Amino acid sequence: SQQGEEDPQALSIQEGENATMNCSYKTSINNLQWYRQNSGRGLVHLILIRSNEREKHSGRLRVTLDTSKKSSSLLITASRAADTASYFCATLPRSYNTDKLIFGTGTRLQVFP
Amino acid sequence: EAGVAQSPRYKIIEKRQSVAFWCNPISGHATLYWYQQILGQGPKLLIQFQNNGVVDDSQLPKDRFSAERLKGVDSTLKIQPAKLEDSAVYLCASSFDRYQETQYFGPGTRLLVL
Repeated sequence: SQQGEEDPQALSIQEGENATMNCSYKTSINNLQWYRQNSGRGLVHLILIRSNEREKHSGRLRVTLDTSKKSSSLLITASRAADTASYFCATLPRSYNTDKLIFGTGTRLQVFP
Repeated sequence: EAGVAQSPRYKIIEKRQSVAFWCNPISGHATLYWYQQILGQGPKLLIQFQNNGVVDDSQLPKDRFSAERLKGVDSTLKIQPAKLEDSAVYLCASSFDRYQETQYFGPGTRLLVL
């Protein structure tokens, strides 16, 4: 079963605008990761946030984590056409006997030039 | 550093036929994962290897799917016989070890079962 649900399922914006996508999950986690998938390609790791962190930045990416609400958000600032892709959150559940990432359903982002 | 290699990139077969996918992980990575990604969904782990041993295959349909990593490097995933619902992208990923948090993905094999 999939742990995470992303919202929205699809998002269309103009270049230069900010894009925000959200992820909700069900169980306690060790960390939450965001991955990008371009059409027909494999996934690329973007950023990881641990359960004891609340916010993390990497270039134009900003991730927040609210463990009390079991949710995370990914903000892409000043978007570019090259950011067009699907974005997935993946959680590493807090369990001593698992290191299995569980992926959400993804948000499809379209950035128009 | 070379990435995770997969072949073939695309495969079209008829139901009840067999198919095999190959993965070569990043050099030195002990942990290898096979995921199935159905259109419109996130990847689902099928099997995880640590060196040549299986760590987790709880979601592998063992009546038709099999995987091996005999020498702890390359891996092969086989489907025999294929069903229509096996149409998906099969992704291979690797990490330095099972507790390293970042996984590196290959480009995937897109399978269409007719």
